[in-house]
Amino acid sequence: ETGVTQSPTHLIKTRGQQVTLRCSSQSGHNTVSWYQQALGQGPQFIFQYYREEENGRGNFPPRFSGLQFPNYSSELNVNALELDDSALYLCASRSGTALNTEAFFGQGTRLTVV
Amino acid sequence: GNSVTQMEGPVTLSEEAFLTINCTYTATGYPSLFWYVQYPGEGLQLLLKATKADDKGSNKGFEATYRKETTSFHLEKGSVQVSDSAVYFCALTSQGGSEKLVFGKGTKLTVNP
Repeated sequence: ETGVTQSPTHLIKTRGQQVTLRCSSQSGHNTVSWYQQALGQGPQFIFQYYREEENGRGNFPPRFSGLQFPNYSSELNVNALELDDSALYLCASRSGTALNTEAFFGQGTRLTVV
Repeated sequence: GNSVTQMEGPVTLSEEAFLTINCTYTATGYPSLFWYVQYPGEGLQLLLKATKADDKGSNKGFEATYRKETTSFHLEKGSVQVSDSAVYFCALTSQGGSEKLVFGKGTKLTVNP
């Protein structure tokens, strides 16, 4: 069984640029969520996709956007990067949307904005 | 809104010491509660969970009991090992929030031999 994989593992971008992060969900999982983890903080929910539709969003501006594909893999896009966007971005997948289903996390993409 | 408060770290213990990491929560409805662990340079791994009041989650010697009356989910282990050194996150999911996970700020544990 393949776990959740994210790419790239590390990325350096310049302020104002755009970035795309990718996530392959675990086999059989149709729900993907994205989280931002700033240094020394807990992860913060960005948004969630269920069967290719966004079905929840946290307190992040519209320049954070996403997609989910028919194979349930997902992308996170961030436009007009700011220095405060520097963080570890985590993708999590699970089967369905029930409250108690386990979310499996990838190892994350470390984004540095300079 | 929903929130999780964890005891502030870092926590430093000697091997075989007893561990407690406090976690309290605020949530509407009946949340599910989780402890996640993050080893250096890695993503999050589910350590244990509890889905209703008085449930006890356990894994790898760690335990936590869902206490609705005190809105708490404290993590305990009777005898820690050096390999338990990591950051521990308490989290919840609840209705009305897209079933998203709401995390505490994390508690860094260092276990010395």
